Amino acid sequence: EPEVTQTPSHQVTQMGQEVILRCVPISNHLYFYWYRQILGQKVEFLVSFYNNEISEKSEIFDDQFSVERPDGSNFTLKIRSTKLEDSAMYFCARESLRFRLAEAFFGQGTRLTVV
Amino acid sequence: DQQVKQNSPSLSVQEGRISILNCDYTNSMFDYFLWYKKYPAEGPTFLISISSIKDKNEDGRFTVFLNKSAKHLSLHIVPSQPGDSAVYFCAASIKLTSGSRLTFGEGTQLTVNP
Repeated sequence: EPEVTQTPSHQVTQMGQEVILRCVPISNHLYFYWYRQILGQKVEFLVSFYNNEISEKSEIFDDQFSVERPDGSNFTLKIRSTKLEDSAMYFCARESLRFRLAEAFFGQGTRLTVV
Repeated sequence: DQQVKQNSPSLSVQEGRISILNCDYTNSMFDYFLWYKKYPAEGPTFLISISSIKDKNEDGRFTVFLNKSAKHLSLHIVPSQPGDSAVYFCAASIKLTSGSRLTFGEGTQLTVNP
Protein backbone atom coordinates (compact mmCIF):
# COMPACT_ATOMS: atom_id res chain seq x y z
CA GLU A 1 0.00 0.00 0.00
CA PRO A 2 1.28 3.50 -0.81
CA GLU A 3 2.49 5.54 2.10
CA VAL A 4 2.13 9.19 2.97
CA THR A 5 4.78 11.86 2.42
CA GLN A 6 5.78 14.25 5.17
CA THR A 7 7.52 17.59 4.92
CA PRO A 8 9.92 18.81 6.12
CA SER A 9 12.05 15.87 7.15
CA HIS A 10 13.73 17.97 9.84
CA GLN A 11 12.69 21.27 11.38
CA VAL A 12 14.59 23.29 13.93
CA THR A 13 12.70 26.05 15.67
CA GLN A 14 13.15 28.38 18.58
CA MET A 15 11.08 27.91 21.69
CA GLY A 16 7.86 29.89 21.48
CA GLN A 17 7.69 29.83 17.70
CA GLU A 18 4.89 28.29 15.67
CA VAL A 19 5.59 25.28 13.49
CA ILE A 20 3.52 23.59 10.84
CA LEU A 21 4.19 20.01 9.88
CA ARG A 22 2.75 18.75 6.61
CA CYS A 23 1.51 15.45 5.35
CA VAL A 24 0.59 14.71 1.76
CA PRO A 25 -1.79 11.80 1.69
CA ILE A 26 -3.13 9.71 -1.10
CA SER A 27 -6.66 10.58 -2.04
CA ASN A 28 -9.58 8.37 -1.06
CA HIS A 29 -8.51 8.17 2.55
CA LEU A 30 -10.94 9.38 5.14
CA TYR A 31 -8.94 8.83 8.33
CA PHE A 32 -5.61 10.43 9.10
CA TYR A 33 -3.61 10.38 12.27
CA TRP A 34 -0.74 12.16 13.94
CA TYR A 35 1.58 10.33 16.30
CA ARG A 36 4.82 11.38 17.91
CA GLN A 37 7.83 9.68 19.42
CA ILE A 38 10.02 11.51 21.89
CA LEU A 39 13.55 10.15 21.71
CA GLY A 40 13.81 6.88 23.61
CA GLN A 41 10.10 6.74 24.38
CA LYS A 42 6.98 5.07 22.99
CA VAL A 43 5.15 6.08 19.87
CA GLU A 44 2.18 8.09 21.18
CA PHE A 45 -1.15 8.88 19.58
CA LEU A 46 -1.96 12.56 19.21
CA VAL A 47 -5.09 12.92 17.11
CA SER A 48 -7.25 11.29 14.47
CA PHE A 49 -8.98 13.27 11.76
CA TYR A 50 -12.01 12.09 9.84
CA ASN A 51 -13.87 13.86 7.10
CA ASN A 52 -12.24 17.18 7.98
CA GLU A 53 -12.98 16.99 11.67
CA ILE A 54 -11.14 15.77 14.73
CA SER A 55 -12.42 12.30 15.53
CA GLU A 56 -10.39 11.57 18.65
CA LYS A 57 -7.55 13.29 20.49
CA SER A 58 -5.26 12.29 23.30
CA GLU A 59 -4.47 14.15 26.49
CA ILE A 60 -1.24 15.29 24.85
CA PHE A 61 -3.18 17.17 22.17
CA ASP A 62 -3.88 20.33 24.11
CA ASP A 63 -4.77 23.85 22.96
CA GLN A 64 -1.27 24.33 21.59
CA PHE A 65 -1.97 21.79 18.86
CA SER A 66 -4.32 21.99 15.91
CA VAL A 67 -4.90 19.99 12.75
CA GLU A 68 -6.51 20.89 9.51
CA ARG A 69 -6.76 20.02 5.88
CA PRO A 70 -6.64 23.52 4.45
CA ASP A 71 -6.82 22.76 0.76
CA GLY A 72 -8.54 19.40 0.80
CA SER A 73 -5.33 17.51 0.20
CA ASN A 74 -2.44 18.40 2.53
CA PHE A 75 -2.97 17.52 6.16
CA THR A 76 -1.20 19.74 8.69
CA LEU A 77 -0.29 19.68 12.36
CA LYS A 78 0.33 23.08 13.90
CA ILE A 79 2.03 23.71 17.20
CA ARG A 80 1.33 27.30 18.19
CA SER A 81 4.06 28.04 20.70
CA THR A 82 6.66 25.33 20.81
CA LYS A 83 8.24 24.13 24.02
CA LEU A 84 11.47 22.25 24.50
CA GLU A 85 9.49 19.10 25.34
CA ASP A 86 7.81 19.20 21.92
CA SER A 87 11.08 17.98 20.42
CA ALA A 88 10.22 14.61 18.90
CA MET A 89 9.62 12.69 15.69
CA TYR A 90 6.14 13.44 14.42
CA PHE A 91 4.49 10.86 12.22
CA CYS A 92 1.51 11.29 9.99
CA ALA A 93 -0.41 8.11 9.24
CA ARG A 94 -3.33 7.09 7.10
CA GLU A 95 -5.88 4.35 7.43
CA SER A 96 -5.62 1.05 5.68
CA LEU A 97 -7.20 0.67 2.28
CA ARG A 98 -7.77 -2.97 3.10
CA PHE A 99 -11.26 -3.46 4.48
CA ARG A 100 -10.91 -0.28 6.52
CA LEU A 101 -9.03 -2.13 9.25
CA ALA A 102 -7.29 -0.48 12.15
CA GLU A 103 -3.80 -0.67 10.67
CA ALA A 104 -2.19 2.72 10.28
CA PHE A 105 0.40 3.34 7.60
CA PHE A 106 3.01 5.83 8.63
CA GLY A 107 5.02 8.43 6.82
CA GLN A 108 8.76 8.75 7.29
CA GLY A 109 8.31 11.38 9.96
CA THR A 110 9.40 14.94 10.67
CA ARG A 111 12.08 15.43 13.28
CA LEU A 112 11.21 18.56 15.25
CA THR A 113 13.96 20.10 17.33
CA VAL A 114 13.03 22.96 19.63
CA VAL A 115 15.99 25.02 20.88
CA ASP B 1 0.33 4.57 30.62
CA GLN B 2 1.44 0.94 30.71
CA GLN B 3 -1.45 -0.64 28.80
CA VAL B 4 0.92 -2.28 26.33
CA LYS B 5 4.27 -3.46 27.55
CA GLN B 6 7.28 -5.04 25.91
CA ASN B 7 9.53 -6.19 28.70
CA SER B 8 12.58 -6.99 26.63
CA PRO B 9 14.34 -3.89 25.33
CA SER B 10 16.63 -6.00 23.17
CA LEU B 11 17.01 -9.44 21.63
CA SER B 12 19.91 -10.93 19.74
CA VAL B 13 19.63 -14.06 17.58
CA GLN B 14 21.68 -15.88 15.00
CA GLU B 15 20.75 -15.77 11.34
CA GLY B 16 18.48 -18.67 10.42
CA ARG B 17 17.18 -19.16 13.95
CA ILE B 18 13.82 -18.16 15.36
CA SER B 19 13.22 -14.72 16.85
CA ILE B 20 10.44 -14.49 19.43
CA LEU B 21 9.29 -11.04 20.48
CA ASN B 22 6.83 -10.73 23.34
CA CYS B 23 4.20 -8.24 24.34
CA ASP B 24 1.74 -8.01 27.23
CA TYR B 25 -1.32 -5.84 27.60
CA THR B 26 -3.63 -4.92 30.43
CA ASN B 27 -6.69 -3.41 28.76
CA SER B 28 -9.27 -6.13 28.12
CA MET B 29 -11.06 -3.80 25.70
CA PHE B 30 -8.33 -4.21 23.13
CA ASP B 31 -9.74 -6.01 20.12
CA TYR B 32 -7.01 -5.83 17.52
CA PHE B 33 -3.28 -6.26 17.81
CA LEU B 34 -0.51 -5.25 15.44
CA TRP B 35 3.22 -5.51 15.04
CA TYR B 36 5.34 -2.79 13.47
CA LYS B 37 8.97 -2.71 12.48
CA LYS B 38 10.98 0.49 12.64
CA TYR B 39 14.35 1.44 11.26
CA PRO B 40 16.16 4.57 12.55
CA ALA B 41 14.93 7.82 10.98
CA GLU B 42 11.93 6.09 9.39
CA GLY B 43 8.30 5.69 10.33
CA PRO B 44 6.94 2.41 11.71
CA THR B 45 6.17 -0.14 9.01
CA PHE B 46 3.15 -2.38 9.46
CA LEU B 47 4.05 -6.08 9.57
CA ILE B 48 1.17 -8.23 10.70
CA SER B 49 -1.99 -8.05 12.76
CA ILE B 50 -4.42 -10.29 14.58
CA SER B 51 -7.99 -9.93 15.70
CA SER B 52 -8.99 -10.94 19.20
CA ILE B 53 -11.19 -13.71 17.83
CA LYS B 54 -8.13 -15.54 16.51
CA ASP B 55 -5.15 -17.05 18.26
CA LYS B 56 -2.75 -17.19 15.34
CA ASN B 57 -2.06 -15.36 12.13
CA GLU B 58 0.71 -16.20 9.71
CA ASP B 59 2.26 -14.25 6.87
CA GLY B 60 5.36 -15.73 5.33
CA ARG B 61 8.17 -15.78 7.88
CA PHE B 62 6.07 -13.87 10.41
CA THR B 63 3.54 -15.43 12.77
CA VAL B 64 1.68 -13.65 15.52
CA PHE B 65 0.20 -15.61 18.42
CA LEU B 66 -2.44 -14.23 20.77
CA ASN B 67 -3.26 -15.63 24.20
CA LYS B 68 -6.26 -13.63 25.36
CA SER B 69 -6.54 -15.26 28.76
CA ALA B 70 -2.95 -14.31 29.52
CA LYS B 71 -3.23 -10.97 27.71
CA HIS B 72 -0.09 -11.85 25.84
CA LEU B 73 0.97 -11.81 22.23
CA SER B 74 4.15 -12.78 20.50
CA LEU B 75 5.75 -12.38 17.11
CA HIS B 76 7.77 -15.25 15.68
CA ILE B 77 10.18 -14.67 12.82
CA VAL B 78 11.47 -17.84 11.16
CA PRO B 79 14.07 -17.94 9.78
CA SER B 80 15.58 -14.71 11.04
CA GLN B 81 17.62 -12.69 8.57
CA PRO B 82 20.12 -9.86 9.15
CA GLY B 83 17.72 -7.48 7.37
CA ASP B 84 15.21 -8.14 10.15
CA SER B 85 17.39 -6.15 12.53
CA ALA B 86 15.22 -3.25 13.66
CA VAL B 87 13.03 -2.09 16.53
CA TYR B 88 9.76 -4.03 16.75
CA PHE B 89 6.71 -2.44 18.32
CA CYS B 90 3.52 -4.16 19.31
CA ALA B 91 0.39 -2.05 19.28
CA ALA B 92 -3.24 -2.52 20.22
CA SER B 93 -6.55 -1.00 19.26
CA ILE B 94 -9.98 -1.22 20.87
CA LYS B 95 -11.57 -1.35 17.45
CA LEU B 96 -11.03 -3.61 14.49
CA THR B 97 -11.82 -0.87 12.01
CA SER B 98 -10.38 2.48 11.03
CA GLY B 99 -10.38 5.42 13.35
CA SER B 100 -9.21 3.91 16.58
CA ARG B 101 -6.02 5.06 18.21
CA LEU B 102 -3.14 2.62 18.43
CA THR B 103 -1.46 2.15 21.80
CA PHE B 104 2.17 1.14 21.42
CA GLY B 105 4.61 -0.77 23.54
CA GLU B 106 8.13 0.48 24.21
CA GLY B 107 9.70 -1.56 21.45
CA THR B 108 12.28 -4.34 21.31
CA GLN B 109 15.53 -3.92 19.42
CA LEU B 110 16.12 -7.10 17.43
CA THR B 111 19.63 -7.82 16.19
CA VAL B 112 20.13 -10.74 13.84
CA ASN B 113 23.76 -11.72 13.61
CA PRO B 114 25.13 -13.25 10.40
